[in-house]
Amino acid sequence: SQKIEQNSEALNIQEGKTATLTCNYTNYSPAYLQWYRQDPGRGPVFLLLIRENEKEKRKERLKVTFDTTLKQSLFHITASQPADSATYLCALEAGGYNKLIFGAGTRLAVHP
Amino acid sequence: EAQVTQNPRYLITVTGKKLTVTCSQNMNHEYMSWYRQDPGLGLRQIYYSMNVEVTDKGDVPEGYKVSRKEKRNFPLILESPSPNQTSLYFCASSLFGEGGATDTQYFGPGTRLTVL
Repeated sequence: SQKIEQNSEALNIQEGKTATLTCNYTNYSPAYLQWYRQDPGRGPVFLLLIRENEKEKRKERLKVTFDTTLKQSLFHITASQPADSATYLCALEAGGYNKLIFGAGTRLAVHP
Repeated sequence: EAQVTQNPRYLITVTGKKLTVTCSQNMNHEYMSWYRQDPGLGLRQIYYSMNVEVTDKGDVPEGYKVSRKEKRNFPLILESPSPNQTSLYFCASSLFGEGGATDTQYFGPGTRLTVL
């Protein structure tokens, strides 16, 4: 069956360190993959999109990699700050550009 | 301000009492979608719409209806709500960008529904 997996356990890191979140998928061949941030009680906010022919994408302190052979995307936040604490969702295109499948998300806590 | 609005934000109702959750966007987006979010399951798509009068089922459409009579509005209708529809609901909209309809989705603030 088709599946998207993100670390279900919260990731706790110290301020200033690099946070790395993982998104693995099976039985999909997505044309692109997205990362969203979600704060408690609020809707997800788009962060980055990476296409299947791109290995890496950067935006300020954020970096996303996409390995279609491993079926994995890594999401990095460098020089992390307490304000980066949130749940991060990965989402991938699941056929026909009309459907976006979301992972359950990983909660990141950055401690001062 | 570009935004997606949902109403109500919170709703407690009883089994079988029809309800409608409204969704409106002011960005002239063609694509709109409804999701439900449950602990451990992530966001699951209920219905989506490519444009006015064009709607289709997502992954979990049972028990829900939608309509798209105007470009800006995409209401979610629960004809006979049941307790298993207790969830957090999000509406989202998108342009048809370079990456397709779901290039970047803009989400509303969510509607927390409890069905007793």
